[in-house]
Amino acid sequence: GQSLEQPSEVTAVEGAIVQINCTYQTSGFYGLSWYQQHDGGAPTFLSYNALDGLEETGRFSSFLSRSDSYGYLLLQELQMKDSASYFCAVIGDDKIIFGKGTRLHILP
Amino acid sequence: DVKVTQSSRYLVKRTGEKVFLECVQDMDHENMFWYRQDPGLGLRLIYFSYDVKMKEKGDIPEGYSVSREKKERFSLILESASTNQTSMYLCASSYIGTESYEQYFGPGTRLTVT
Repeated sequence: GQSLEQPSEVTAVEGAIVQINCTYQTSGFYGLSWYQQHDGGAPTFLSYNALDGLEETGRFSSFLSRSDSYGYLLLQELQMKDSASYFCAVIGDDKIIFGKGTRLHILP
Repeated sequence: DVKVTQSSRYLVKRTGEKVFLECVQDMDHENMFWYRQDPGLGLRLIYFSYDVKMKEKGDIPEGYSVSREKKERFSLILESASTNQTSMYLCASSYIGTESYEQYFGPGTRLTVT
């Protein structure tokens, strides 16, 4: 079967760095995506990793290790507007499976 | 800018009613998806379509059907609404193939069945 595990909640301080982990189990793996969703809003695409390694997009970076079936989203220089839920998603055979989401709380 | 629009932001229906949720995208995407989102359960795929008149069951298709008569429009139908279908419904679209990882979501429809 397919499954994704990510922490339900993470708390960090404004200006700090936070890492949100995602482990997955799937067949036909093509890549790992990350989405951000603010309260009352729609999920928006953040990043995609198909190959091992780190992808950087501004303050956000995403990492993938295919051999470990593991990835993470790294958020640097946290801002209050980063308070949101973050979903990892596994892509395989034109089908995407979402994790249950990690709620990121940011303290001033 | 990609636009995915959904027919209603909020909807209240009675048990047993037939409910139509409509989704329209303007990016000529091949793939379209319907999800429901519930607290603590994340996004669960109900149905998806990779072409006009084509549909595939997702993880929780029971109690739902879909229709895709035109490429830009994907409808979700609840034949006889039940209270356990109270949820947030999200439509999404994407290109097919290697770019399918980036989905564009509509604003969602919060459906309450009483």
